[in-house]
Amino acid sequence: QVQLVESGGGVVQPGRSLRLSCAASGFIFSSFGMHWVRQAPGKGLEWVAVIWYDGSVKYYADSVKGRFTISRDNSKNTLDLQMNSLRVEDTAVYHCAREVVLDATGNSWFDPWGQGTLVTVSS
Amino acid sequence: DFQLIQSPSSLSASIGDRVTVTCRASQNLKNFVNWYQQKPGKAPNVLIYAATTLQGGVPSRFSGSGSGTDFNLTISSLQPEDFATYFCQQTFSTSWTFGPGTKVEI
Repeated sequence: QVQLVESGGGVVQPGRSLRLSCAASGFIFSSFGMHWVRQAPGKGLEWVAVIWYDGSVKYYADSVKGRFTISRDNSKNTLDLQMNSLRVEDTAVYHCAREVVLDATGNSWFDPWGQGTLVTVSS
Repeated sequence: DFQLIQSPSSLSASIGDRVTVTCRASQNLKNFVNWYQQKPGKAPNVLIYAATTLQGGVPSRFSGSGSGTDFNLTISSLQPEDFATYFCQQTFSTSWTFGPGTKVEI
């Protein structure tokens, strides 16, 4: 079945770096745009970054621009998020999600989502 | 920036109640709005996409309506498994913004 599994979370000090990974299975990974979405403890969902199906286009939320880098390896069916200069406010569960697009209209939605990996930034 | 406001932020309801959650956008989103359900400790699941289309496998008691700046998610008869938090999302712009969520409690 279609599945996304994140890894790489942990506890890190402010200013340090961490790299998250998302392993995809059950679908043609190279055909889909992929996103990272985070959720701070007890808070709502915040979109973080997107990468086009072929890696040609990337967008970032203003809150992470210049610090985070999204990348993918279509030969390994993996999505990564390199997080540098981490801040306390980056503490969250990070989910990867596949973007499904209706070609006829351009409507899109996220399905499925991974269960997430917890990143805690604390001194 | 495409801001989404959800109301109410939380509500209490009983089994069998009809429940409506509203999502209001700061700009015209046409029908580029989705609704997700999230239960504690779980990943979100899409319920409705393109404002009104029910995702496969989602019970028909869920429905979506609206276009432009005002959107609704309605649960026609609340079931025990529906107690969760619901988020709207816009995919009109390349910021994929989420609303702040509505928690539906017993």
